[in-house]
Amino acid sequence: GDSVTQMEGPVTLSEEAFLTINCTYTATGYPSLFWYVQYPGEGLQLLLKATKADDKGSNKGFEATYRKETTSFHLEKGSVQVSDSAVYFCALIGLGNQFYFGTGTSLTVIP
Amino acid sequence: DAMVIQNPRYQVTQFGKPVTLSCSQTLNHNVMYWYQQKSSQAPKLLFHYYDKDFNNEADTPDNFQSRRPNTSFCFLDIRSPGLGDAAMYLCATSRGDRQETQYFGPGTRLLVL
Repeated sequence: GDSVTQMEGPVTLSEEAFLTINCTYTATGYPSLFWYVQYPGEGLQLLLKATKADDKGSNKGFEATYRKETTSFHLEKGSVQVSDSAVYFCALIGLGNQFYFGTGTSLTVIP
Repeated sequence: DAMVIQNPRYQVTQFGKPVTLSCSQTLNHNVMYWYQQKSSQAPKLLFHYYDKDFNNEADTPDNFQSRRPNTSFCFLDIRSPGLGDAAMYLCATSRGDRQETQYFGPGTRLLVL
C-alpha cells in the first residue's frame, strides 16, 4: 500500500543553519506530495506541494523537489530561523484520494 | 480570513459524558474529514464525508460518530469518551478532485477527566 517514510527527529539546529528533512514514499502511480507544518498547539498548515515528477514546491524559503527516480521529496531551507521551530509532516495523496502522513519531524531552532 | 473553523479550541469532558466537536468551512468544499492526533504522532483519519456520503475508516471505533447537516458544517460526536480518547481532533476539507490539497482547521484539544 501507499506509505510515507520520514526522517526521525527531533532535529535541533542553530539559527541560520541549513535544514534537510528526508522523506521517501511508496505509492502506486503518480501521487501528489505535500509538506505540512504544525506549530505548537495548532492545526496543520500546508507548506508546499508538488504534483508531478521534477516539480519543485517552494514557500517561505522552504523547497522540496519531487524525485520520481529516488521516490523522494526532501524538505530543505538554506537558513532556518527560530520561528521555523515546529513539527513537519510529509504526506502523499494517492489514487484513492486518501492522505498518507509521515510520522512527523520535530524541529527546534536555537538562537 | 479563517477558512476552516473549529470550535471549541479546547474541550474538557468527563469520562463517559458525550461530547460534540464542531467544524465549519467557508471554502464550499465537497469533502470534510475528521482526524485524531495523539501526542507526537501523525494525524489518523477517522472518517470523511464526500458531500452527504459518509465514509468510515475500518478501524474507527463505534464510539465515534459524525454528522454533516449541510455543506458548511460537520460534527464529531464521541458518545462515551474514555481516557484514551484525549487527543487533538483536526477537521480538514478538500474540493474532492483527485489528488487535491487538504486544508486543516486549528484543531480542538480534548481532555477527558
